[in-house]
Amino acid sequence: DAGVTQSPTHLIKTRGQHVTLRCSPISGHKSVSWYQQVLGQGPQFIFQYYEKEERGRGNFPDRFSARQFPNYSSELNVNALLLGDSALYLCASSLQHSGANVLTFGAGSRLTVL
Amino acid sequence: RKEVEQDPGPFNVPEGATVAFNCTYSNSASQSFFWYRQDCRKEPKLLMSVYSSGNEDGRFTAQLNRASQYISLLIRDSKLSDSATYLCVVNDYKLSFGAGTTVTVRA
Repeated sequence: DAGVTQSPTHLIKTRGQHVTLRCSPISGHKSVSWYQQVLGQGPQFIFQYYEKEERGRGNFPDRFSARQFPNYSSELNVNALLLGDSALYLCASSLQHSGANVLTFGAGSRLTVL
Repeated sequence: RKEVEQDPGPFNVPEGATVAFNCTYSNSASQSFFWYRQDCRKEPKLLMSVYSSGNEDGRFTAQLNRASQYISLLIRDSKLSDSATYLCVVNDYKLSFGAGTTVTVRA
């Protein structure tokens, strides 16, 4: 069975540009969460979606947005990129949206902003 | 105060040694607790859930102390393959990750 898949795996952007990151959850999983991991820190929660609705939002500016599609895949969009947005963006899926559910992470999208 | 705090280490231990480290959390209402393992430049993977009564999984033992708001992880008989960063994860309304504790097991 395929795990959580993310694309692209690596990308380089310049300040002010926009980026879209994509995630496909494990088959049967209805919840997708997005995390940002800066080097040397733990993953920071950005968004959680369940059944196409936003169920949680972390402390990130409005430049960050996301959505979930009917097939439960998800996109994370970041506008007006800043140097500080350089990070590993992790997508995780779980069966449901409860925090008691185990998260399975994808390999991540490594974003470099120049 | 951070939601989840961990000793960053690194803990450098010889093969076969026992290593233990803690994680403290700020929200007394937190319900679920986990340890994840993250290898260098890889994604985090679940190591084990942490139950109120404490639990073991092979060489790994996790404990929860709700009164003092900390969880611990103990690794017995360390292997070279245990070298990784161990992330403490606490569920309040979302899953909050600590910054990780780095363990290096040397031959």
